[in-house]
Amino acid sequence: GENVEQHPSTLSVQEGDSAVIKCTYSDSASNYFPWYKQELGKRPQLIIDIRSNVGEKKDQRIAVTLNKTAKHFSLHITETQPEDSAVYFCAASKGDYKLSFGAGTTVTVRA
Amino acid sequence: NAGVTQTPKFQVLKTGQSMTLQCAQDMNHNSMYWYRQDPGMGLRLIYYSASEGTTDKGEVPNGYNVSRLNKREFSLRLESAAPSQTSVYFCAIRTELNYGYTFGSGTRLTVV
Repeated sequence: GENVEQHPSTLSVQEGDSAVIKCTYSDSASNYFPWYKQELGKRPQLIIDIRSNVGEKKDQRIAVTLNKTAKHFSLHITETQPEDSAVYFCAASKGDYKLSFGAGTTVTVRA
Repeated sequence: NAGVTQTPKFQVLKTGQSMTLQCAQDMNHNSMYWYRQDPGMGLRLIYYSASEGTTDKGEVPNGYNVSRLNKREFSLRLESAAPSQTSVYFCAIRTELNYGYTFGSGTRLTVV
């Protein structure tokens, strides 16, 4: 099955700086790559996703890039704010829509 | 995210006891999933159901059974709970519009 690796496992950034989280996947047939944000004690929530026919997607301060050749994708958060502190998960799936998740990155934004 | 309702929110079981986690959606979507979340391991798929009446194993199905009796409900059953099944369990539905999942609020299960 699909194997998704996520790095780093923890990330501490100064408020206003950028944060980057990277994921790699193993199955070249994967074609859908969502990112989820999970605040403490809450459910994961979809924040952005990208499909394999697109190289980059932006939504305000967050962006995702995809390199199909290298089989990796990244989440970029600019101008970080305290409310960006959370655990972020990347995931990948093929046409069967079963998502395989990375282990998560705990992001802490320092004031 | 009122579309996916999970019950109970918390449960403590003794080893060997059985229980069923309930999940119900009010959004009329076909695909439903059960994941477990453990520290440092992300979310791992236990079982999923692509449509009413069908179920398939995911990555970690051992020790669990599921039932999709109708389009609305997808239940997860632990027949004989073990401490290794201590986890947070999330039910999710796939919204065909954008392929993203909507998760329920989770069930925190402790097996002692």
